[in-house]
Amino acid sequence: DAGVTQSPTHLIKTRGQHVTLRCSPISGHKSVSWYQQVLGQGPQFIFQYYEKEERGRGNFPDRFSARQFPNYSSELNVNALLLGDSALYLCASSQGGVLHYEQYFGPGTRLTVT
Amino acid sequence: AQRVTQPEKLLSVFKGAPVELKCNYSYSGSPELFWYVQYSRQRLQLLLRHISRESIKGFTADLNKGETSFHLKKPFAQEEDSAMYYCALYNNNDMRFGAGTRLTVKP
Repeated sequence: DAGVTQSPTHLIKTRGQHVTLRCSPISGHKSVSWYQQVLGQGPQFIFQYYEKEERGRGNFPDRFSARQFPNYSSELNVNALLLGDSALYLCASSQGGVLHYEQYFGPGTRLTVT
Repeated sequence: AQRVTQPEKLLSVFKGAPVELKCNYSYSGSPELFWYVQYSRQRLQLLLRHISRESIKGFTADLNKGETSFHLKKPFAQEEDSAMYYCALYNNNDMRFGAGTRLTVKP
């Protein structure tokens, strides 16, 4: 198993555009969580999905949304991009539905908004 | 609001010396606390959690509710311990990370 995979690795967008980031969990894992990591800071929790249902949401505006598919992969969508959305976006998967159950992180997607 | 503070952005010690990475939290209930580590060019990974009371790679962390701290300790640092360390607090489907401490172990 390649572990958690994320795509794309990097992307550059312009203010006001929309972006979709993708995550494939480890086989057998039913929970996916998304984090934003701004340079110099720790990861900040955005969403958790378990069995295709939203289980938790961090303090992010409605421009951020996510969903989980029947195969447990997930997408994170961000609308009306701002310069401040530039960050590394991390995805993590786990077996259990409780967020703190051991999470396995992906390599991240580096988003640059210009 | 719950918060995790790691007061040291950078920490440098010599090989064989003791190391302590500090973590303070603000939370009124019974927290669940974790240490995550990120080695160079590797992914973020769980190091240990306080409920397990385990020692991983020689590291231990004790929850001190009176001082609201969860410091990570190792009696004899090794060069391979050089990494970025994050303290994290879980409560009610929310995970909060500190800003991290970069540990460098010099030969």
